[in-house]
Amino acid sequence: QLQLQESGPGLVKPSETLSLTCTVSGGSISSTNYYWGWIRQPPGKGLEWTGNIYYSGSTFYNPSLKSRVTMSVDTSKNQFSLKLSSVTAADTAVYYCARGLSSSWNYFDYWGQGTLVTVSS
Amino acid sequence: DIQMTQSPSSLSASVGDRVTITCRASQSISSYLNWYQQKPGKAPKLLICAASSLQSGVPSRFSGSGSGTDFTLTISSLQPEDFATYYCQQSYSIPYTFGQGTKLEIK
Repeated sequence: QLQLQESGPGLVKPSETLSLTCTVSGGSISSTNYYWGWIRQPPGKGLEWTGNIYYSGSTFYNPSLKSRVTMSVDTSKNQFSLKLSSVTAADTAVYYCARGLSSSWNYFDYWGQGTLVTVSS
Repeated sequence: DIQMTQSPSSLSASVGDRVTITCRASQSISSYLNWYQQKPGKAPKLLICAASSLQSGVPSRFSGSGSGTDFTLTISSLQPEDFATYYCQQSYSIPYTFGQGTKLEIK
């Protein structure tokens, strides 16, 4: 059974960089059939797609965040990561990592449990 | 960006009721439409992909339909475990976008 687990600081100061890692177990991150994504959810609000990364390192980011987002993948550790720079209170959210199926139809079929990141001084 | 609009935003219903949630895209997305269920404090769970394809393990009382710009999620007979928030998501073009959610509550 595939599992994803987010990890990283739960508190980040304004203007600093948020860094999260997603560890994948029960399957390989190095598959051409899948991509790996980050989706966030501000408290009490809806879901926002942040971006996707393929094991090759190819990335697609949400234009609303593009200048601040960097994603990377470490196939040796079966992990992928998210960095979001210059954070503000608006970046406070539960951050989910997820697996996307790269077939004729794209969808996220496995999700991590999510981790709350609060931006506050 | 493609805007996804769900209706209603909230819905009260009883166990055994038939419920329909609508999702409208701001432009045609073919059948690139997914439905997720989210319970409080939990990650979203994929119910339906490609507008009408039921994910493995999801009860058959859930069904999806539509193509182009208009889509529906139907629950044929509500069960207690179905009370949750439902989101549609388009995967036709980047940025992927979600509807604002429909909160299904017990009447």
